[in-house]
Amino acid sequence: NAGVTQTPKFQVLKTGQSMTLQCAQDMNHEYMSWYRQDPGMGLRLIHYSVGAGITDQGEVPNGYNVSRSTTEDFPLRLLSAAPSQTSVYFCASSDYSGNTIYFGEGSWLTVV
Amino acid sequence: AQSVTQLGSHVSVSEGALVLLRCNYSSSVPPYLFWYVQYPNQGLQLLLKYTSAATLVKGINGFEAEFKKSETSFHLTKPSAHMSDAAEYFCAVWGSGGGADGLTFGKGTHLIIQP
Repeated sequence: NAGVTQTPKFQVLKTGQSMTLQCAQDMNHEYMSWYRQDPGMGLRLIHYSVGAGITDQGEVPNGYNVSRSTTEDFPLRLLSAAPSQTSVYFCASSDYSGNTIYFGEGSWLTVV
Repeated sequence: AQSVTQLGSHVSVSEGALVLLRCNYSSSVPPYLFWYVQYPNQGLQLLLKYTSAATLVKGINGFEAEFKKSETSFHLTKPSAHMSDAAEYFCAVWGSGGGADGLTFGKGTHLIIQP
């Protein structure tokens, strides 16, 4: 997935720990977003941003924080991890029209 | 808010048979429509996308999809299934409003190929 770098790929956390999933793109895209993927649920939008300094909640925002201080970076923070946040996370970047959308390779997160 | 419905969480076909994965969307204006494939423990790969240039869209690996506005459908087909097609398939729509409507996914269809 050229252009979107997402780290880490795998992470195991203990309940109550905090962590940040990093997402960076080099295509000068305005729109960035985070999704979580759970079996039988597809991908659901957590948070999104339409530009630096602008973020908003998606369908499942509880337990997650985001910020967009630059166009390139859109980190996702878990403040106090819970087992319900065990999931696969994908970052996406696109132009505002949606004509070109790029995904990161995914982050497999397990909370024990 | 827009929504995407994929009929059948699991679809099983025999190798060499026609693959048909169904997708219906709700949108007031013709959107961008996508099909993604995900192999086990891997990321998302774009199969094809509809951007209003043509209603029949050809993608990678022999897949194609037809946009039917009157039926609000974007079904995915492949004439002859191969074992390597076994994967999870997601239909998605990019709404005209951007923002929280940006990209909405269906719940996915797991394609099983029987030898």
